[in-house]
Amino acid sequence: AQRVTQPEKLLSVFKGAPVELKCNYSYSGSPELFWYVQYSRQRLQLLLRHISRESIKGFTADLNKGETSFHLKKPFAQEEDSAMYYCALSGRSGKLIFGQGTTLQVKP
Amino acid sequence: DAGVIQSPRHEVTEMGQEVTLRCKPISGHNSLFWYRQTMMRGLELLIYFNNNVPIDDSGMPEDRFSAKMPNASFSTLKIQPSEPRDSAVYFCASSLDGSSGANVLTFGAGSRLTVL
Repeated sequence: AQRVTQPEKLLSVFKGAPVELKCNYSYSGSPELFWYVQYSRQRLQLLLRHISRESIKGFTADLNKGETSFHLKKPFAQEEDSAMYYCALSGRSGKLIFGQGTTLQVKP
Repeated sequence: DAGVIQSPRHEVTEMGQEVTLRCKPISGHNSLFWYRQTMMRGLELLIYFNNNVPIDDSGMPEDRFSAKMPNASFSTLKIQPSEPRDSAVYFCASSLDGSSGANVLTFGAGSRLTVL
């Protein structure tokens, strides 16, 4: 069964501090992993996907198949990073399953 | 393209009433998804369509919920009768299979439903 777990509902850090948003998944095959972000009063949008291996807005995420994790990291948080972050998984069927979401609060 | 268009943006109704939410996907996209967002459960996939055909409706909570996609440019999610626990934000999203952007969803603004 496909499952995505984000253990933290809320993560609060100070500006300039490192950020790590945790995501663990359960899937028997080779999944495709994503991070989506929802800023205040904006639509949910794609932040990054593991196959792209890119850094977006300073965020990176590495797929660790051994630990079945896809944690989102940023070395220095900015206030504009405050948002709701969702980890998502897609399998062969094309079905995209999301985790419960983590609210990131970056304090000045 | 105006993106994924959902209506209504807000709906307040009374328990027992029928609710119909509407979605227009991005032109050319061939997959359409309905999600429900709540504080407690996050984003739950309700149903998704590929080429207008329902592929997986295992997330539909119960028989009170139904979804249709009569053509490539329109889908509805209906709740009848509605209950207070259905109060949530309902999102529609679309994507294009077989492209480099496969599995990358474009979301609508959502329909916020309140059932009193």
